[in-house]
Amino acid sequence: AQSVTQLGSHVSVSEGALVLLRCNYSSSVPPYLFWYVQYPNQGLQLLLKYTTGATLVKGINGFEAEFKKSETSFHLTKPSAHMSDAAEYFCAVRPDSGGYQKVTFGTGTKLQVIP
Amino acid sequence: NAGVTQTPKFQVLKTGQSMTLQCAQDMNHNSMYWYRQDPGMGLRLIYYSASEGTTDKGEVPNGYNVSRLNKREFSLRLESAAPSQTSVYFCASSERSNGAGEQYFGPGTRLTVT
Repeated sequence: AQSVTQLGSHVSVSEGALVLLRCNYSSSVPPYLFWYVQYPNQGLQLLLKYTTGATLVKGINGFEAEFKKSETSFHLTKPSAHMSDAAEYFCAVRPDSGGYQKVTFGTGTKLQVIP
Repeated sequence: NAGVTQTPKFQVLKTGQSMTLQCAQDMNHNSMYWYRQDPGMGLRLIYYSASEGTTDKGEVPNGYNVSRLNKREFSLRLESAAPSQTSVYFCASSERSNGAGEQYFGPGTRLTVT
């Protein structure tokens, strides 16, 4: 079975500062990894995903994440926070083992951007 | 393209009442999903449909039923609502149910059971 741990249910950063949202996963087989963003009163929207190949993945809105197998991590970063980045972010994992495999979501991290 | 649409957006039910949440997608996706979102618990899968004509239970199916009406539509029914079913419900779809296919989410239905 797989699991996802997001460290910090709330993170605050100043506008223009680095955004770092942490995600650690466990999976018995190579994983697919995702970051989703949820703006208030909306559904989830895919930010980026890791499948295979390059471990540094770039997504929308200037976000990127690095897959580190040795650390079982997939942290999300953005060099400079904008006010519009205030939202809740979810890390998710899906095993790459054929057939239907459910996606397991983390419990989310709410990002506050302080002007 | 509208993507994934859900109706209604908000609903208040009394304990014991029934209702159906509707979901439709216009992306010609094969797979569809129903999740519930509760504070501090992430998203939990209620039911999914890997392809038209099939449905399977997720991790929290008790108290719910689903119908995959056709390739576009996937409905979720609460036969006898309970306060524990107060939640935000999301429908999602993906090209397929395996592999790295990302899921596309609807805007959600906010349900309160009193």
